[in-house]
Amino acid sequence: SQKIEQNSEALNIQEGKTATLTCNYTNYSPAYLQWYRQDPGRGPVFLLLIRENEKEKRKERLKVTFDTTLKQSLFHITASQPADSATYLCALGYSSASKIIFGSGTRLSIRP
Amino acid sequence: EAGVTQFPSHSVIEKGQTVTLRCDPISGHDNLYWYRRVMGKEIKFLLHFVKESKQDESGMPNNRFLAERTGGTYSTLKVQPAELEDSGVYFCASCSSGTGGADTQYFGPGTRLTVL
Repeated sequence: SQKIEQNSEALNIQEGKTATLTCNYTNYSPAYLQWYRQDPGRGPVFLLLIRENEKEKRKERLKVTFDTTLKQSLFHITASQPADSATYLCALGYSSASKIIFGSGTRLSIRP
Repeated sequence: EAGVTQFPSHSVIEKGQTVTLRCDPISGHDNLYWYRRVMGKEIKFLLHFVKESKQDESGMPNNRFLAERTGGTYSTLKVQPAELEDSGVYFCASCSSGTGGADTQYFGPGTRLTVL
């Protein structure tokens, strides 16, 4: 079965720096990959989706890359702010509107 | 536009009791999903509805769980009888069908279920 690994359970960085989170998967590549943000006591909030034929996607201070050869996605937050502190989840989808498979998440803390 | 809503936000029941969770998807979304996160684990898929039909129920843990979506609008997830291992946070998500928006799932806030 598919296994998803997110680089670390927790990542602490200084405000203003770029946060880089990693999502690695085994076996077959997904049709698309999504990144979600989750705050304590809340549901996941969709951030970005990247398809298998796309290399990079950007949205404001967020950037995601997708390398199907390495079986890896990188998620970057530039000019990080304390308000970016949250758990970030990557999720893989294999067909349109199908179930998605989540990684365990990385808890990001941005210190002032 | 209202997001996905779930009720109740919290439920505490005793082992052997019955609990029913409700999810109201975003209006017009044909696809509705149930997921669950148990303590210390990742969010896992339970079930997928397309309108009122069960498209994929491969994640349902056992026959104590019953999901319905009568009329293709809101959905309920009933656990009967509840066991200790059913404790966790149950999330509902929805997405539209068709090109463009078919892959993005929007999640509700979750229902935290505690079975004592």
